Amino acid sequence: SYELTQSPSVSVSPGQKASITCSGDNLRHKYVSWFQQKPGQSPLLVIYRDDKRPSGIPERFSGSNSGDIATLTISGTQIMDEAAYYCQAWDSSAGFFGGGTMLTVL
Amino acid sequence: QVQLVQSGAEVKKPGSSVKVSCKTSGGTFGNFAINWVRQAPGQGLEWMGRITPVLDIRNHAQEFQGRVTITADKITSTAYMELRSLRSEDTAVYYCARDENFKAFDIWGQGTLVTVSS
Repeated sequence: SYELTQSPSVSVSPGQKASITCSGDNLRHKYVSWFQQKPGQSPLLVIYRDDKRPSGIPERFSGSNSGDIATLTISGTQIMDEAAYYCQAWDSSAGFFGGGTMLTVL
Repeated sequence: QVQLVQSGAEVKKPGSSVKVSCKTSGGTFGNFAINWVRQAPGQGLEWMGRITPVLDIRNHAQEFQGRVTITADKITSTAYMELRSLRSEDTAVYYCARDENFKAFDIWGQGTLVTVSS
């Protein structure tokens, strides 16, 4: 079984930069996706293949993956970005999620 | 555009089975795989397994081996997830999500709440 570790919570002030990390063994050799989930909603893909942004996702969302840590960065964080964020990677054809990070914007 | 439409909420007794469906609306399976992900109340996301209908290949999470069956009907573009021997800990929202060749879960269903209670 493969483990992805995220900090449970991150706080940021509106307009500031938020960084959410995800660590795992040999993570740099895997592609990482990031999902945003607001209460009562299905997860939404915000970053895939480490740093690719799907159509419709604002440019303030970016991703990176080096060492054994993947990072989701939200530049100029907005109130609407308050949500849980999950990283995800594949290992031996099985999917794994991090435990999730609750982003509070206040 | 393509949407994944899931079946409605279920209430089940411990020891019974549940079968949740996920229909690809506005398109077909194509080369995509359908994954099943669940989320217990207040908890994180847990991947259960996937099926690539065009190849009829299945992958399962170790935790669910022997208890889950994932199938797909290519004619109706509907995927199914059956979970057996239900217990209270299986109470969760079950999501289906699409991916292409292990790239990313780009489209998700609306979720199906399964409640296991005596």
